[in-house]
Amino acid sequence: QSALTQPPSASGTPGQRVSISCSGSISNLGSNTVNWYQQVPGTAPKLLIYSNRQRPSGVPDRFSASKSGTSASLVISGLQSEDEADYFCAAWDDTLSGPLFGGGTRLTVL
Amino acid sequence: EVQLEESGGGLVQPGGSLRLSCEASRFSLSGYWMSWVRQSPGKGLEWVAHISEDGYEKFYVASLRGRFTISRDNAKNSVFLQMDSLRVEDTAVYYCAIMDYNRVWWKDNWFDAWGQGAPVTVSP
Repeated sequence: QSALTQPPSASGTPGQRVSISCSGSISNLGSNTVNWYQQVPGTAPKLLIYSNRQRPSGVPDRFSASKSGTSASLVISGLQSEDEADYFCAAWDDTLSGPLFGGGTRLTVL
Repeated sequence: EVQLEESGGGLVQPGGSLRLSCEASRFSLSGYWMSWVRQSPGKGLEWVAHISEDGYEKFYVASLRGRFTISRDNAKNSVFLQMDSLRVEDTAVYYCAIMDYNRVWWKDNWFDAWGQGAPVTVSP
């Protein structure tokens, strides 16, 4: 099963609003919820968004997400230097019968 | 704060075996589904397997079924991944993670907490 599709890179300046897309198919994003993970290089991934748009406690409300059909997006408002990281989307895939991840987007804060 | 710590990674030759362990501290694993997720060098994340709270239900990514075995020992607050017949392409950092889910809809699930990862290198 192919990974969910994400742009390999994104960038923005401090204070800007940045959006990262995630595209899938009917067997994953089209039928199930999406989650987002943040991974600072050299560290473990961290849950950022679950169930399409829910933030775990401790995640700033600068991070938001949405899903429509077979696509999803993560939005970071008021970009900060510490947001520089890799971002992965993920969703249950009915063909895989398990979670399927996106290839990841490296966010650079200029 | 939840802490998961993997161990057992290392260098192994193709065809060899390794057993990864994941131990939790400051909380009990017994009430959670647990998963293994791997990340190949410079690449994305790949779900490997997960196991139910009581250990009776186990699911694997199809490509690894038969070579990898997930298990758990709730008395030891630990989860394991036995990896046999290892191949060069199994080289990755292996993370254990708590898998939480929507009690109304199982497919609405997510990896709530992750360990720091165990590096596995398969090389001649």
